[in-house]
Amino acid sequence: GAVVSQHPSWVICKSGTSVKIECRSLDFQATTMFWYRQFPKQSLMLMATSNEGSKATYEQGVEKDKFLINHASLTLSTLTVTSAHPEDSSFYICSATGTSDTQYFGPGTRLTVL
Amino acid sequence: RKEVEQDPGPFNVPEGATVAFNCTYSNSASQSFFWYRQDCRKEPKLLMSVYSSGNEDGRFTAQLNRASQYISLLIRDSKLSDSATYLCVVNESGGQNFVFGPGTRLSVLP
Repeated sequence: GAVVSQHPSWVICKSGTSVKIECRSLDFQATTMFWYRQFPKQSLMLMATSNEGSKATYEQGVEKDKFLINHASLTLSTLTVTSAHPEDSSFYICSATGTSDTQYFGPGTRLTVL
Repeated sequence: RKEVEQDPGPFNVPEGATVAFNCTYSNSASQSFFWYRQDCRKEPKLLMSVYSSGNEDGRFTAQLNRASQYISLLIRDSKLSDSATYLCVVNESGGQNFVFGPGTRLSVLP
């Protein structure tokens, strides 16, 4: 099956710093990538959808200036959490679709902001 | 009304039991359907895609009823390793609009 990787798998940072998370499709070209956030014991929440070479579409309530998404190639999308605060601590998961409409998920990044 | 609804759970069943989950969706134009399982603190993993009336893979059977707008997942001879949260995902309109259900938690007990 299709493989999606994420890096880093976990990160701890101080409040006010920025954190970049990478999402890569390893064996297929990802025309669309999705970024989700999941708080403990809650459902996945879609943050944004990005297509290669175009601006990301953010869900209502997600600040695009705080969560910067770049999808510069068909195999790489990045999410940068700018000026992170403790309330941004969460499990961030990306997913990708290629020629089919099946989503394949990365292993997730656990962010802890002190 | 939520777009995708699932059995609230949790389901606690003994090993070897057969368990069925239901998922209903509100958008009749929905094109494709998926079941994922998610273990605690892990990412969702694809269990099954459902495009036509149903799909079977070993102990797992998914059925789709477009008229009634529901998808079911049947697990036979459940194993301890089946313990997870099962997510129903609906792709609306064949585009990139995926809607997740809230998930149903399954615990298989020895």
